[in-house]
Amino acid sequence: KQEVTQIPAALSVPEGENLVLNCSFTDSAIYNLQWFRQDPGKGLTSLLLIQSSQREQTSGRLNASLDKSSGRSTLYIAASQPGDSATYLCAVMGEGKLTFGQGTILTVHP
Amino acid sequence: NAGVTQTPKFRVLKTGQSMTLLCAQDMNHEYMYWYRQDPGMGLRLIHYSVGEGTTAKGEVPDGYNVSRLKKQNFLLGLESAAPSQTSVYFCASRTPGQGGTQYFGPGTRLLVL
Repeated sequence: KQEVTQIPAALSVPEGENLVLNCSFTDSAIYNLQWFRQDPGKGLTSLLLIQSSQREQTSGRLNASLDKSSGRSTLYIAASQPGDSATYLCAVMGEGKLTFGQGTILTVHP
Repeated sequence: NAGVTQTPKFRVLKTGQSMTLLCAQDMNHEYMYWYRQDPGMGLRLIHYSVGEGTTAKGEVPDGYNVSRLKKQNFLLGLESAAPSQTSVYFCASRTPGQGGTQYFGPGTRLLVL
């Protein structure tokens, strides 16, 4: 059974700091890995999707990497802003189904 | 293009009552999913569908039923609601292929008293 773990569970940083969120998974037989953002009381917004054959994806200040063999992914956020405050979820796709981590709650304070 | 929509947004039920949550997508996706999100538990898959007329069980299917009579709609039913089903329910649909991207609806908050 696939298990996805995200570390840390919560993170508080000052504005402008670069930060890294970590995601690990137990079964490397995945099709892709997706990072989502969830604002309080809202749905999930897809940030980045990395196919199993890819090593990284970038979108603006976000960069996600994938090391399938070691079962790890990182989400790098550059020059963090208060608007980045949210819960970040990692999910891996295997056999048509997503398995989610429990998320990292990020707070960026001015 | 509305994406994935869910109805209702919020509902309060008494134990034993029944209700149906509706998910609709206008992206012509074959795959659709129902999840529940609980504090400390993350999102867990309840049921999913790989196409019109087909459904399958996910990780936590007990107490729920689903139907996919039309490609664009995926219904989640609670026949006899229990307080343990208090949760936020999310629907999603996916682009084709095993590496497809999932798109989520805004969620339905359900409180069972």
